[in-house]
Amino acid sequence: GNSVTQMEGPVTLSEEAFLTINCTYTATGYPSLFWYVQYPGEGLQLLLKATKADDKGSNKGFEATYRKETTSFHLEKGSVQVSDSAVYFCALSIYNQGGKLIFGQGTELSVKP
Amino acid sequence: NAGVTQTPKFQVLKTGQSMTLQCAQDMNHNSMYWYRQDPGMGLRLIYYSASEGTTDKGEVPNGYNVSRLNKREFSLRLESAAPSQTSVYFCASLGGQANEKLFFGSGTQLSVL
Repeated sequence: GNSVTQMEGPVTLSEEAFLTINCTYTATGYPSLFWYVQYPGEGLQLLLKATKADDKGSNKGFEATYRKETTSFHLEKGSVQVSDSAVYFCALSIYNQGGKLIFGQGTELSVKP
Repeated sequence: NAGVTQTPKFQVLKTGQSMTLQCAQDMNHNSMYWYRQDPGMGLRLIYYSASEGTTDKGEVPNGYNVSRLNKREFSLRLESAAPSQTSVYFCASLGGQANEKLFFGSGTQLSVL
């Protein structure tokens, strides 16, 4: 079946530290991959996406590269800010399956000043 | 442009009571979804609607019913609430350039006592 596994949180970093949140997936078809972010008290928002192997998604200083050989889509940011504190979800969708997303369990990030 | 609007934001029910969660989107999207979010489990799909007049079960449909009243509205009903349905519920609709971006409401926090 299709599934997404993320590293467990919470992750606590100091401001300006380097961030990596690991994400690996299992998929029977050719998935598109996503990172969504959830700020406290809000719904999820799309952060970035990649639709095919070797694509790099980027937004707001965050990046993730679609690695088919390792079935991974790790999220990285070179210098985190306090305002990046949120829960990050990795997700996949399979073409022609009605746009349904399969989410990982989420990773909470806390950035201290 | 309000996006996806959910009501209510908070609700407390007693076991056996019924209620309906309302969701509306003003982006003219065809597909709409109901997810539940539980600690350590990410988001799980309850039901979805690919278009007006159609609904399909997701990963965890038991204990729920849905209605796609029109293109804008997609409601979720709990006929006889159980403590296992204590969760945060999110409605979403599918849009974006390639129809791969989910737009989420701000969520409903439901407690069943």
